[in-house]
Amino acid sequence: DSGVTQTPKHLITATGQRVTLRCSPRSGDLSVYWYQQSLDQGLQFLIQYYNGEERAKGNILERFSAQQFPDLHSELNLSSLELGDSALYFCASSVFGQYTDTQYFGPGTRLTVL
Amino acid sequence: GQNIDQPTEMTATEGAIVQINCTYQTSGFNGLFWYQQHAGEAPTFLSYNVLDGLEEKGRFSSFLSRSKGYSYLLLKELQMKDSASYLCAVISNTGGFKTIFGAGTRLFVKA
Repeated sequence: DSGVTQTPKHLITATGQRVTLRCSPRSGDLSVYWYQQSLDQGLQFLIQYYNGEERAKGNILERFSAQQFPDLHSELNLSSLELGDSALYFCASSVFGQYTDTQYFGPGTRLTVL
Repeated sequence: GQNIDQPTEMTATEGAIVQINCTYQTSGFNGLFWYQQHAGEAPTFLSYNVLDGLEEKGRFSSFLSRSKGYSYLLLKELQMKDSASYLCAVISNTGGFKTIFGAGTRLFVKA
């Protein structure tokens, strides 16, 4: 158990819908990262927040958005969902958000878009 | 561009040694991580290299050559529980620091 929690564990929805994934970092960690892992693409970095502010952006679609709240939990919003958005979404956290930090991953949210 | 290559699958025998290679082409290289991921579970940290050479940690060791864009993960005294995917991840500082993951190497350990 890494100490990072994610809810829900599973999510099944239809194309065109909007969902919100939630992540709580390890106690004391200030930075949160979001990743998407699909069968054919491996682990893709989406976005990173540090203490409430966006720090780095990866391959995040315009239909996706995220934020980190004052209590440091983070939410990833996915809208206008498409079949190809079906994937495991991982949240990770680290202490300072430095590139040398070890990232601790949560158990993931499995999103299925039908 | 950014590119990370790892073998897709490897098979090894319990008690043996296996070496998983990773080659990368990336701008703004700032270090390399290895993660272990069991099927359906979260990746877990194994090692971090930023300088050339070998880092040893118990049964696992990781090597880096920055000039060759090459790393390997060495697993000794293989156990059945080592059957998992091993992800090579490069830190790139192009347009901000990012962690770029390879597709992973699925290792099967057989008795």
